[in-house]
Amino acid sequence: AQSVAQPEDQVNVAEGNPLTVKCTYSVSGNPYLFWYVQYPNRGLQFLLKYITGDNLVKGSYGFEAEFNKSQTSFHLKKPSALVSDSALYFCAVRDQANQAGTALIFGKGTTLSVSS
Amino acid sequence: DGGITQSPKYLFRKEGQNVTLSCEQNLNHDAMYWYRQDPGQGLRLIYYSQIVNDFQKGDIAEGYSVSREKKESFPLTVTSAQKNPTAFYLCASSPGGLNTEAFFGQGTRLTVV
Repeated sequence: AQSVAQPEDQVNVAEGNPLTVKCTYSVSGNPYLFWYVQYPNRGLQFLLKYITGDNLVKGSYGFEAEFNKSQTSFHLKKPSALVSDSALYFCAVRDQANQAGTALIFGKGTTLSVSS
Repeated sequence: DGGITQSPKYLFRKEGQNVTLSCEQNLNHDAMYWYRQDPGQGLRLIYYSQIVNDFQKGDIAEGYSVSREKKESFPLTVTSAQKNPTAFYLCASSPGGLNTEAFFGQGTRLTVV
């Protein structure tokens, strides 16, 4: 069964420092990987996705993510954090042998807190 | 504006009542999904529909029902059989390909009173 793990419930960084939010996945086929952000009492906003090709994917608001097949990871990164980046971040996966149609399977989320 | 509209934003249900959450999209997407969000548990899939007049159970379908009579609409009914319905419910849609991202509505917060 496919699954996503976000090992950290919360990540704290100071404004201007680099940030990393971790994600590992388990799928039976080739993965399609996604990152979303959620602000309080709102829906999810799409940040970026990995489908194929370059392992480093660039997305919205200066975020990027690195796909590592051997480590089955897809960590979200940003070179310089902003206070406004503080939110809940979700990693999600589909695989080519998806048992749930095209539905995304989500991790439990990581709360990012950026201090000024 | 194109997008997904969920209504109402807040909903209160009495014990033993059925309630229906609305989800409408004007993105011409084939696939639609319902997720439930609880603190610390991420998003869990309730039902999904790949095409009109077809839908499938997700991981936590018990106590819920859906219909997909029109491409743009995917309402979710929370029945009295759902013992712990208080949660944040999110509807999403996608064009249907495996490599496409899903677009989310703003959510409905359901509270049992």
